[in-house]
Amino acid sequence: GAGVSQSPRYKVAKRGQDVALRCDPISGHVSLFWYQQALGQGPEFLTYFQNEAQLDKSGLPSDRFFAERPEGSVSTLKIQRTQQEDSAVYLCASSLAGGPRNTEAFFGQGTRLTVV
Amino acid sequence: GDSVTQMEGPVTLSEEAFLTINCTYTATGYPSLFWYVQYPGEGLQLLLKATKADDKGSNKGFEATYRKETTSFHLEKGSVQVSDSAVYFCALSPNQAGTALIFGKGTTLSVSS
Repeated sequence: GAGVSQSPRYKVAKRGQDVALRCDPISGHVSLFWYQQALGQGPEFLTYFQNEAQLDKSGLPSDRFFAERPEGSVSTLKIQRTQQEDSAVYLCASSLAGGPRNTEAFFGQGTRLTVV
Repeated sequence: GDSVTQMEGPVTLSEEAFLTINCTYTATGYPSLFWYVQYPGEGLQLLLKATKADDKGSNKGFEATYRKETTSFHLEKGSVQVSDSAVYFCALSPNQAGTALIFGKGTTLSVSS
């Protein structure tokens, strides 16, 4: 498909387990963003890549969260030793270049993570 | 820091009713303002945007005007349809290149026939 693809769509993890969430952006999109959306809240910024460079990771809530985009296309968000408060929908967005001021950001459907 | 406040829902309307969803923001400088919509089972989609004061964004019958004097960006539609039922998010992008969106909490709209 031509849109942003995220997998898995749903993930149930036991507390303490490590998880990896994948994002396939639209081909050719330079910018990639990860957001966390808790139940009943708006998305909150986690991290931003321009190609393979992680330019902003100020939104990552703890050092258990790690994101990479080694070849400037697919990105993976990894959460180590998951906690219940990590339960949320994780959204990925991509855009041609720069930020949403300049080019439209396209969102994936998200991965719903439930930590039990 | 920058933030967005939007009216809490849910908003329940009959078809053809007038819709207003209020959104106010706090930001330094001159942010861009957005409305995103999330239909059931789908990802967030850009509905409309405005990049400077007094700009009006419009799409699919929805409109919002960037009001710097009242720091507002209220979403309006003259006649809603059942297919407009969704969650609506107001968002801003600060006046810096490459920065992420800051979202409000979202407002659920339910339209009945």
